[in-house]
Amino acid sequence: AQTVTQSQPEMSVQEAETVTLSCTYDTSESNYYLFWYKQPPSRQMILVIRQEAYKQQNATENRFSVNFQKAAKSFSLKISDSQLGDTAMYFCAFGLQGAQKLVFGQGTRLTINP
Amino acid sequence: GAVVSQHPSRVICKSGTSVKIECRSLDFQATTMFWYRQFPKQSLMLMATSNEGSKATYEQGVEKDKFLINHASLTLSTLTVTSAHPEDSSFYICSALRGLPYEQYFGPGTRLTVT
Repeated sequence: AQTVTQSQPEMSVQEAETVTLSCTYDTSESNYYLFWYKQPPSRQMILVIRQEAYKQQNATENRFSVNFQKAAKSFSLKISDSQLGDTAMYFCAFGLQGAQKLVFGQGTRLTINP
Repeated sequence: GAVVSQHPSRVICKSGTSVKIECRSLDFQATTMFWYRQFPKQSLMLMATSNEGSKATYEQGVEKDKFLINHASLTLSTLTVTSAHPEDSSFYICSALRGLPYEQYFGPGTRLTVT
């Protein structure tokens, strides 16, 4: 069975700073996907970024980028130039190729302070 | 595109009654939908996978007779909580799978309170 671990329950940074959220996972599979989801106070889950395990290049989406270390089974999210609207719970998630269902980490509550 | 709706957004019911939650994919067809439960300040826990035209697949520990799932069309899945009890109070979230690339789109969630 796959597991996802987020070791930082809470983080807090000042607006415009850069912050990195950690995620590790455990699997014996070689083909899979990794995701970061954002859940703001509205509780609507929003996909931030996804990474296919077969791709060596780290995914980026504007201010969001990941550091994917397949051998170390690590998948961290970097948010650059953080904004107040980035305040939310962030969940790391694992999905097997073809199986589609997701396993979520415990979440990191990120607060961006003005 | 890729919008998923849930209805109702909030529901309060009395203990012993049943309540139905609808999940709709508004602009795409979804053969597969998922139902999650989220307790306060916790992560999402997958309850079941709903497949159009076939029986749902429940995760270990989830009572299938209590949480009835029906996926009768490619745009609608329903979750019925039968004989609800206060411990069933929670936030229920659905997602719909859109293929190639496979990606789950989440509904806004339903807060269920059983009194």
